[in-house]
Formats: sequence, structure tokens, C-alpha cells
Amino acid sequence: KNQVEQSPQSLIILEGKNCTLQCNYTVSPFSNLRWYKQDTGRGPVSLTIMTFSENTKSNGRYTATLDADTKQSSLHITASQLSDSASYICVVSSPYSGGGADGLTFGKGTHLIIQP
Amino acid sequence: DGGITQSPKYLFRKEGQNVTLSCEQNLNHDAMYWYRQDPGQGLRLIYYSQIVNDFQKGDIAEGYSVSREKKESFPLTVTSAQKNPTAFYLCASSIPAGSSYEQYFGPGTRLTVT
Repeated sequence: KNQVEQSPQSLIILEGKNCTLQCNYTVSPFSNLRWYKQDTGRGPVSLTIMTFSENTKSNGRYTATLDADTKQSSLHITASQLSDSASYICVVSSPYSGGGADGLTFGKGTHLIIQP
Repeated sequence: DGGITQSPKYLFRKEGQNVTLSCEQNLNHDAMYWYRQDPGQGLRLIYYSQIVNDFQKGDIAEGYSVSREKKESFPLTVTSAQKNPTAFYLCASSIPAGSSYEQYFGPGTRLTVT
């Protein structure tokens, strides 16, 4: 069964510090991997989408990496801000609906808290 | 939240009552989706629609129903048959259907059934 595992489950860091969130997946075949940011009580917003051939992609202070061989991805946040407090969700897609009926397998998310 | 609106933001119902959650999009997207989110769990697909007047069951469709009479609208009805309806419900849309295309999510509706 396709799975997406995220770690840590929750993380607390001080404002201005860097952090890295992890995503390991067993989805096959692989189409792409997405990172979403979800503020409390809001809908997820896309940060990055990575395809098989992409190793690194940046979006401002967010940098995602993908190692398709080991089936691992990370999301690195640089110089964290209070507004980065949110849940970060990793989603892996398969072209053959190997995940849910929509072809997507969602991780449970990492809950990040930035303290002043 | 893009061009997707969900209403209301909070909804309270008594057990045994059906309730309909609204989802409207002005992105001209063909595909629309409904997900359920529970604490500590990943999003789970309830129903999705690739085109007007057509929809398919997702992974947890029991106790839910949908309609897609217009491209812009994809309402979800939570029926009394749904055994544990209290949850956060998210609507999403994408250009065509398929896992390769980015989904845009609405702001969500939190449903509480007592």
C-alpha cells in the first residue's frame, strides 16, 4: 500500500532559526511530490511541486529537495518567521491511482510552531 | 485560497439531520474534489468530479452525496448515515483531473454534529 510518512510530527523552534522537515514515501509509480502549508483552520496552500528529474526547488525561504532513489524529500525553512507557524503537508502523486482514488497519497503533516 | 469559496466556515447540526456544504470556484477548473481532515490524519478523499454531471466515489464516500450540475459548483451533503460527521471539510479544484495537476484548496468548513 502506498504510504507517505512525515517527521517530526511536531516541531518547536525559535524565530530566526532554520529547520528541516522530512517526508519519506513508498508510492510507486511516482509522478510528483508536493509540499503544502496549512495555517490553522485554513485550506492548504501549495509551496512547491517537484517532478522526478528535479532535485531542488526554492520558493523564497522554503527549499525542497527530492531524492527519487531513496524516496525521500525534505523541506528546509530558512530564517523562520512567526508566520511560518503552520502544518506542512507532503503529498505524493501516482499516475495510476496508486494512492487514493485521485492518485494522491497525503502525509499526516508536521506541525511547526515558531516561538518569539 | 485562490478562487474557491466554501460556506459556511462553521456549521453546527444535530445528529440525524442532513447538512449541505457549499463549494464554488471561479477558476474555470474542470475537476473538483471533497476531502475530509481529522486531527492527526492525512486528508481523505470523499468524492471527486472530473466534469459537469459526472462524479466518482473516493476512499470514504459512505454517508456522503454530491452533485455537479454546474462547472463552478460542487456541493457536498453529509447525510444522517455518516456515523462520525464531525470534521474539517476541504474542497479543491484542478484544471483537468488527474494527479499530475496542482490542486487549489478552499478555506474549509468545520462541521460539528452533536
